[in-house]
Amino acid sequence: AAGVIQSPRHLIKEKRETATLKCYPIPRHDTVYWYQQGPGQDPQFLISFYEKMQSDKGSIPDRFSAQQFSDYHSELNMSSLELGDSALYFCASSLALRLAGGADTQYFGPGTRLTVL
Amino acid sequence: DQQVKQNSPSLSVQEGRISILNCDYTNSMFDYFLWYKKYPAEGPTFLISISSIKDKNEDGRFTVFLNKSAKHLSLHIVPSQPGDSAVYFCAATPTGTASKLTFGTGTRLQVTL
Repeated sequence: AAGVIQSPRHLIKEKRETATLKCYPIPRHDTVYWYQQGPGQDPQFLISFYEKMQSDKGSIPDRFSAQQFSDYHSELNMSSLELGDSALYFCASSLALRLAGGADTQYFGPGTRLTVL
Repeated sequence: DQQVKQNSPSLSVQEGRISILNCDYTNSMFDYFLWYKKYPAEGPTFLISISSIKDKNEDGRFTVFLNKSAKHLSLHIVPSQPGDSAVYFCAATPTGTASKLTFGTGTRLQVTL
């Protein structure tokens, strides 16, 4: 079965540079989520989109922005990179089932490892 | 403030025995819970979930139990296999579309021969 695709898998940038991470959700999934996982930490929610509209926002720095496009893929843009931005960035996707008393199961991509030097 | 806690950072179990991973939460708004398995340098893989309207959900070797009054859930793996060795994350979310997951800190399971 098709899974979530993330590119690139690895990215090395210098401080103050910009980076763009891409996410291609599972076909027919309409919701995309971004998470950041620092070394030895649990994944932290950044932002989500449902039907191309921002749905929820977590602890995402103002230097970061994201959007979901008409084909449902999403891009996370990161500017003025800092050393502390080095982390694994996961994208997840789900299909909004709108079940009463339930929530949508999120399926994760393999992640992009960002290293800021 | 860690709203989802996994108090055991690691667990070692013999092959064939039962593995029990525990998770506690504090936020009463959480009513959908998921378990993910994660290998190094890979994304979390969905294992099993449970809604707060249930107290048990089973899928093959994996069973999740939910005690809503105690705000506690557990994942049972029977029988444990060496391939189950990984980090297991508990995650929780409120009901609704596009709701964010709040993860626990993870438990590293080692299944020994």
